Amino acid sequence: DQQVKQNSPSLSVQEGRISILNCDYTNSMFDYFLWYKKYPAEGPTFLISISSIKDKNEDGRFTVFLNKSAKHLSLHIVPSQPGDSAVYFCAAIRRDAGGTSYGKLTFGQGTILTVHP
Amino acid sequence: DAGVIQSPRHEVTEMGQEVTLRCKPISGHNSLFWYRQTMMRGLELLIYFNNNVPIDDSGMPEDRFSAKMPNASFSTLKIQPSEPRDSAVYFCASSLPNGGNTEAFFGQGTRLTVV
Repeated sequence: DQQVKQNSPSLSVQEGRISILNCDYTNSMFDYFLWYKKYPAEGPTFLISISSIKDKNEDGRFTVFLNKSAKHLSLHIVPSQPGDSAVYFCAAIRRDAGGTSYGKLTFGQGTILTVHP
Repeated sequence: DAGVIQSPRHEVTEMGQEVTLRCKPISGHNSLFWYRQTMMRGLELLIYFNNNVPIDDSGMPEDRFSAKMPNASFSTLKIQPSEPRDSAVYFCASSLPNGGNTEAFFGQGTRLTVV
């Protein structure tokens, strides 16, 4: 049961253009969403996050949009740079029935982004 | 802070042998997670601890897998006996959940190959 889905295995973009990575989730109990970037032979590194009470969060070239009704979020990178080439993972956190969360992340399958010079 | 430290970075072992992966979380973090990454299943959570106590081990694939966290600065993931299908990259991560909304920091991973 894949609760967090990234349906595009890969994305290729020209340098300077916008990269849009998409993520869908099925569990309405998720209340916090994150994007991680992963280079080969390294662990995932945190990029940007958004709470379910917001619909947009921006950090420099990176913006995350959340559409709760559609259970969809996206990551926009503008402008894209060759150094952005990596695997991008969408992740979600939910609280348990008691309202407790330990920061447990549920990940999507990842999207390989390639930015061409 | 040096970040989450995992050892070894690479491990090659023969089927049937015991394998122990080690993790030192970021000082002050009280949640620790073990993830496994494979081509087929992506990043899957195996087990996680909070304040050194295992909270959920439902992701541990079989009884051959076990994890411990004897203190706040050290955790191990053990596979005994190992099998070729255990070959994967194993990540340890730690966080300090602040209402559950804090990102986890990952180590560089241990690439395990069981031949």
